[in-house]
Amino acid sequence: DIQMTQSPSSLSAGVGDRVTITCRASQSITTYLHWYQQKPGKGPKLLIYAASTLQSGVPSRFSGSGSGTDFTLTISSLQPEDFATYYCQQSYSIPWTFGLGTAVEIK
Amino acid sequence: QVQLQESGPRLVKPSQTLTLTCTVSGASIRSGGPYWSWIRQVPGKGLEWIGYIYYSGSPYYNPSLTSRLTMSLDTSKNQFSLRLTSVTAADTAVYYCARLVLCCGGDWGQGTLVTVSS
Repeated sequence: DIQMTQSPSSLSAGVGDRVTITCRASQSITTYLHWYQQKPGKGPKLLIYAASTLQSGVPSRFSGSGSGTDFTLTISSLQPEDFATYYCQQSYSIPWTFGLGTAVEIK
Repeated sequence: QVQLQESGPRLVKPSQTLTLTCTVSGASIRSGGPYWSWIRQVPGKGLEWIGYIYYSGSPYYNPSLTSRLTMSLDTSKNQFSLRLTSVTAADTAVYYCARLVLCCGGDWGQGTLVTVSS
């Protein structure tokens, strides 16, 4: 199975801050990497797919980059509604696997 | 806009069978492309992909669960289902259904908490 290692596991940030979350795959997954946002009691919401493509309707302050094994999700200016947990997921090979998540908390 | 809604018993006894159904609106499960998927999340833990079933009816299961798992489609109701046998406390989790595309991620349901307990 491909292991997805996310870091940090949690972070505290303020409104307006720039936030970066990383995801590393245990082998190359080219760009079969997707980022989700999850809020309490809700299912994950797709933010970025194919490593860097913004899902329709998602604010442009979210961006993704990377290929191969190293990927990054960036929030350019954190907004109050962005406090949530973020997950990466690979769909390169079965079984599809997820990172353990990054909880973004209010400073 | 695609919407998915999980339904089924919230409490299952150990050794019994867990059955969940996902009702899809805004898309046909007969359309090629999406993989109709199940994912679970043990409270406070990470996400585990359970498996998917394709529009043709072909399933693919996580090897860790394959001996206990069956997925199926009901095209007349635009639903797909999961059946997990011989459950234990380790199967207590929030279960999500999702419409996932290989290249591009996808949409998820809100999830339903299933507790395995006597």
